[in-house]
Amino acid sequence: GNSVTQMEGPVTLSEEAFLTINCTYTATGYPSLFWYVQYPGEGLQLLLKATKADDKGSNKGFEATYRKETTSFHLEKGSVQVSDSAVYFCALSDHNAGNMLTFGGGTRLMVKP
Amino acid sequence: EAGVAQSPRYKIIEKRQSVAFWCNPISGHATLYWYQQILGQGPKLLIQFQNNGVVDDSQLPKDRFSAERLKGVDSTLKIQPAKLEDSAVYLCASISDRGAGEQFFGPGTRLTVL
Repeated sequence: GNSVTQMEGPVTLSEEAFLTINCTYTATGYPSLFWYVQYPGEGLQLLLKATKADDKGSNKGFEATYRKETTSFHLEKGSVQVSDSAVYFCALSDHNAGNMLTFGGGTRLMVKP
Repeated sequence: EAGVAQSPRYKIIEKRQSVAFWCNPISGHATLYWYQQILGQGPKLLIQFQNNGVVDDSQLPKDRFSAERLKGVDSTLKIQPAKLEDSAVYLCASISDRGAGEQFFGPGTRLTVL
């Protein structure tokens, strides 16, 4: 079956530090890949997505590249801000299974001033 | 456009009681999902509807959980009777048939079973 593995948190960084959150996946087909973010007290929001190999998704300074050869979709940001503190979820969508989402366990990011 | 609506936002019940959650998806979205998110974990799919039909309910504990989407628009998820381990956030999501797999999530209902 499909699965998503992401690095465990919490990840604690100082403001303006470089961020990487690793995500790898297992899928039988060619899924779409997503990063969702959950700010404290709020619902899940789509951060970025990529629908095919070598696509790069980007939003709000975050980037992730769909790497089919390494089955990875690592999230990066060059300079984090305190407002980026949240829980980040990597997920895949299986087009052969009704586009249901399979999520990783989430990574909590804490950014200190 | 209005987002996915859910109610209530919070619910506290005692074990063995019953509870129901309501979801209204984005207008025109034919596909609706219910997910369970236990604290510290990623969401897990419970059931998927396409219009008013069930597409996938393989992860739904059918001895106590039920869900319906009678008119193909809003949906209810029910737990009867609740157990302590049902404490979680219940998320509803919907997707456009023309979308590239992007699901839009509601704010969730946080259930605490005592």
